Amino acid sequence: EDKVVQSPLSLVVHEGDTVTLNCSYEVTNFRSLLWYKQEKKAPTFLFMLTSSGIEKKSGRLSSILDKKELFSILNITATQTGDSAVYLCAVEASRKTSYDKVIFGPGTSLSVIP
Amino acid sequence: DGGITQSPKYLFRKEGQNVTLSCEQNLNHDAMYWYRQDPGQGLRLIYYSQIVNDFQKGDIAEGYSVSREKKESFPLTVTSAQKNPTAFYLCASAIAGTGLNQPQHFGDGTRLSIL
Repeated sequence: EDKVVQSPLSLVVHEGDTVTLNCSYEVTNFRSLLWYKQEKKAPTFLFMLTSSGIEKKSGRLSSILDKKELFSILNITATQTGDSAVYLCAVEASRKTSYDKVIFGPGTSLSVIP
Repeated sequence: DGGITQSPKYLFRKEGQNVTLSCEQNLNHDAMYWYRQDPGQGLRLIYYSQIVNDFQKGDIAEGYSVSREKKESFPLTVTSAQKNPTAFYLCASAIAGTGLNQPQHFGDGTRLSIL
């Protein structure tokens, strides 16, 4: 059965700390891994990763994928209170007989305190 | 501005009632999706549609129904057969299914509660 696991499920840090969020997966016919940030409402897209070892970066956020070990990490440096959110990891898997399935993990709830 | 609009933001339902959640997008996306989010769980797919007048069941379709009469609109009906409907419902759209490595765009969600 396809599954996506995230750890930790919740995390509290102080402003300025660096955090690493983990996502591991077991899916058939992996296509891509996506990270979203959800602040109470709509998840907003952060990164899409398809190749191993290539870091994607956007400001203080970065992410990398390891397709051999089946995991990805999301790093946030110099955290700010505005980084407080649930971070969702999702994996897209190809299906020959139906749509390309997207499987979401449970999310990591990050709280950044001043 | 282009985007996805879900309404209402909050919805209350009495037991035995059907309710319909609205989802409209002006992104010209072909594919649309409905997810359910419960506390501590990831998003679970209810229904999806990749083209007008066609839709497919997701992982938890029981007790729900949808229609796709227009490209822009994908309403979700929560029927009385859904025994535990209290949840946060998210609608999403994408360019053409998810096979083109394009991320989904999400609406702001509808929170449904049972009275």
